[in-house]
Amino acid sequence: EAGVTQSPTHLIKTRGQQATLRCSPISGHTSVYWYQQALGLGLQFLLWYDEGEERNRGNFPPRFSGRQFPNYSSELNVNALELEDSALYLCASSLPHHHPLNTEAFFGQGTRLTVV
Amino acid sequence: AQSVTQPDIHITVSEGASLELRCNYSYGATPYLFWYVQSPGQGLQLLLKYFSGDTLVQGIKGFEAEFKRSQSSFNLRKPSVHWSDAAEYFCAVASNTGNQFYFGTGTSLTVIP
Repeated sequence: EAGVTQSPTHLIKTRGQQATLRCSPISGHTSVYWYQQALGLGLQFLLWYDEGEERNRGNFPPRFSGRQFPNYSSELNVNALELEDSALYLCASSLPHHHPLNTEAFFGQGTRLTVV
Repeated sequence: AQSVTQPDIHITVSEGASLELRCNYSYGATPYLFWYVQSPGQGLQLLLKYFSGDTLVQGIKGFEAEFKRSQSSFNLRKPSVHWSDAAEYFCAVASNTGNQFYFGTGTSLTVIP
């Protein structure tokens, strides 16, 4: 069974541009989480989507946005890129939030975004 | 609010030595607790998790962790470290009512010969 897949693996953008990152969850998983892992800052929670709706977002400016599609895949969009947006962006998926066995998130390999 | 603290930013141990990585959490009820490992350039892999029951949890790769409610801790241990264990280790807590995962800032492990 395929795990969580993210694309692209690497992305280089210039300051001010927009970046779109994609995530495909494990089959049967409806919850998708996005995290930013900047150097030295650990994992910072960005967004949580479940069954097509945004359930929660972390302490990030509005230029970080996303959506979840009917097939539960997800996009993360970062507008007006700044140099400090350079980071590894990790996507994770889990079973539906109401599922009693939903107690584990599976992570993708991440997208390395570099803003120059 | 939930939070996780990993007091050690970086730890260096000799191969074959024992290892303990510290994790303290803040949560009002019994949390779900996790340890993940991240090898360079990779995503996160689950090492072990605690939901309830036996407070000593066994994981993959010879790791174990002990939940101590009185100390709000969930420290990760391994009796004998291998060079391949060099990685970043993250402790995480999740509520038992939702899917919000909170991660610590991670502990970087270096293993020397």
